[in-house]
Amino acid sequence: DQQVKQNSPSLSVQEGRISILNCDYTNSMFDYFLWYKKYPAEGPTFLISISSIKDKNEDGRFTVFLNKSAKHLSLHIVPSQPGDSAVYFCAASSGTSYGKLTFGQGTILTVHP
Amino acid sequence: AAGVIQSPRHLIKEKRETATLKCYPIPRHDTVYWYQQGPGQDPQFLISFYEKMQSDKGSIPDRFSAQQFSDYHSELNMSSLELGDSALYFCASSLKGQITDTQYFGPGTRLTVL
Repeated sequence: DQQVKQNSPSLSVQEGRISILNCDYTNSMFDYFLWYKKYPAEGPTFLISISSIKDKNEDGRFTVFLNKSAKHLSLHIVPSQPGDSAVYFCAASSGTSYGKLTFGQGTILTVHP
Repeated sequence: AAGVIQSPRHLIKEKRETATLKCYPIPRHDTVYWYQQGPGQDPQFLISFYEKMQSDKGSIPDRFSAQQFSDYHSELNMSSLELGDSALYFCASSLKGQITDTQYFGPGTRLTVL
């Protein structure tokens, strides 16, 4: 039972354009959401997070949007850079389960120069 | 800045052998988490410890056990290894173990069971 879903296995974007990565979840108990970036042979690197009391959080080129009614969140990267090419994981946690993260399957982002 | 350290980085074992993976959290972090990522899969939560006590448990097989020591490092012990245990094992750490505290991941230990 995949409670966090990233339905796009891959995304290809031109340098300088916007990258939009999407994530859907089914567990209504999730109240904290995170995005991680992962390079090969490395552990996931934290990018940005959002609490369910907000609908938007911004950090530099990265913005996360949360639509609770649709159980959907998205990560916007503007402008995209070749160094952003990596696997992006959406993750969620619930206040009832102390820090346990449930991950999506990941989306491979490729940013072309 | 100091990051999460995992050792060994690579480990090859035979079926039915045992393995011990170690995790050294970021200094001052008091919570560690273990995740397993199989080939082509997303990381799956195994177990977590806060202040040396187990705080949550996920899909960890009974053949696996873990603990957190007084210096906050953690060890994941795996016995009677099976081929399906071949995976990347990540450790993450955070401060205070609160839900909004970011988990920082180590580079992972790649376990191969032959």
